[in-house]
This record gives sequence, structure tokens and C-alpha cells, in this order.
Amino acid sequence: GQNIDQPTEMTATEGAIVQINCTYQTSGFNGLFWYQQHAGEAPTFLSYNVLDGLEEKGRFSSFLSRSKGYSYLLLKELQMKDSASYLCAVKTNAGKSTFGDGTTLTVKP
Amino acid sequence: SQTIHQWPATLVQPVGSPLSLECTVEGTSNPNLYWYRQAAGRGLQLLFYSVGIGQISSEVPQNLSASRPQDRQFILSSKKLLLSDSGFYLCAWSFESNQPQHFGDGTRLSIL
Repeated sequence: GQNIDQPTEMTATEGAIVQINCTYQTSGFNGLFWYQQHAGEAPTFLSYNVLDGLEEKGRFSSFLSRSKGYSYLLLKELQMKDSASYLCAVKTNAGKSTFGDGTTLTVKP
Repeated sequence: SQTIHQWPATLVQPVGSPLSLECTVEGTSNPNLYWYRQAAGRGLQLLFYSVGIGQISSEVPQNLSASRPQDRQFILSSKKLLLSDSGFYLCAWSFESNQPQHFGDGTRLSIL
């Protein structure tokens, strides 16, 4: 089976930087996705990592270390609208993605 | 561009009643299609996925079923709903399994 761990909640200040970690244990790893989900809404895609290293997209970056079973999502210059849940999802060779329970980020002024 | 439509947005059903949730995708052919359920404060639980018409894989044993009668149509059904079926149901599509998934707006199902 698969095991995905993320912190349940995080709080940060507007304008700051926050790092949301995700650790996983799986066989047949074939990529990791990060999604953002605002309360009551559907998730939206943020980033995808399949190789080790950092992928940068504007204020958001995602890092992957396959040997450590570890990823993080880095959010810079936090804005109030970044308050949301951030879901880590691991894809396997079987073609399915398993989602973590998500990290609820609260950005305070 | 591709769009995904899921309805209804909200549904209240009595225990033991049937269920039919529909999802359609426009702007692409032969997408991978998925049904998820999300309990409050939790991640997404994959219920069914489909890589083509009539091809359905079930992930969790339950009283739900799924069908794909057309290439871009995915239906979630139940003959008799249970209280435990309450939740937020999300339909999603992707080009391939290694591509990001795009979600519909979801259906919030309450069982009374």
C-alpha cells in the first residue's frame, strides 16, 4: 500500500515564506503532484515532480527527493488568498494517484 | 480548451434511496476519468477510474458503482444509499495517468 504524511495545519504571515512537507512510502513511484483546494471548492493543480530537484512556478516551487520519499511545496510572498488546503498526491506505475489528507494553511495579516 | 461539468452541486437524499451523479468532459477525446470522495478535513479517496468506454476499475468495495456509457461521460450510482455515503464527491479527468487531474466543481451529498 501507500502511506502519505503531511502536517495537518500550518499558519504563516502575509508576505512570508512557508514550506509544506510531504513524505511518502510507496512501491512503483512514478511522480508526485501538489494541488491547492480552497474551502468548499475542487482541487486545482499546482505542480508535478517526477525527477529529483526543484520545479519553480512563480511564487510556488516544489521539490522532490525520490531516495528520501520526500517532497515539499514552497510558497513565497504569501498572500491572504493562499489560505487553503494543499494536497500531496503520489502516482504509481499502476497509473493511480493516492492523495494525502492535506495541509490546511492559514495566512494571517 | 477542455471543460468538465459535474452536477448537481448539492444533493440531499434519504437513506435507502438511489443515487445518480453525472460528469461530462468537453474538448478532449478518450480522457482518463475518476470519481473521488472527500470526507470533511480529509484527502481524496479514489472510488473508480476509467481509461476508456466500458472500462471501470473499482478501488474500494462499497455500495457504489460507476459506468462510462460514452467516451466523455462518467456516472456514479447507488441502488440504496447509506448514511456513510455522505461526503463531497469529485469527478476528474486527465489526458494520461501521468498528467495532472482536472476536477469538476463537486457534489456535496448529504444522507438523512
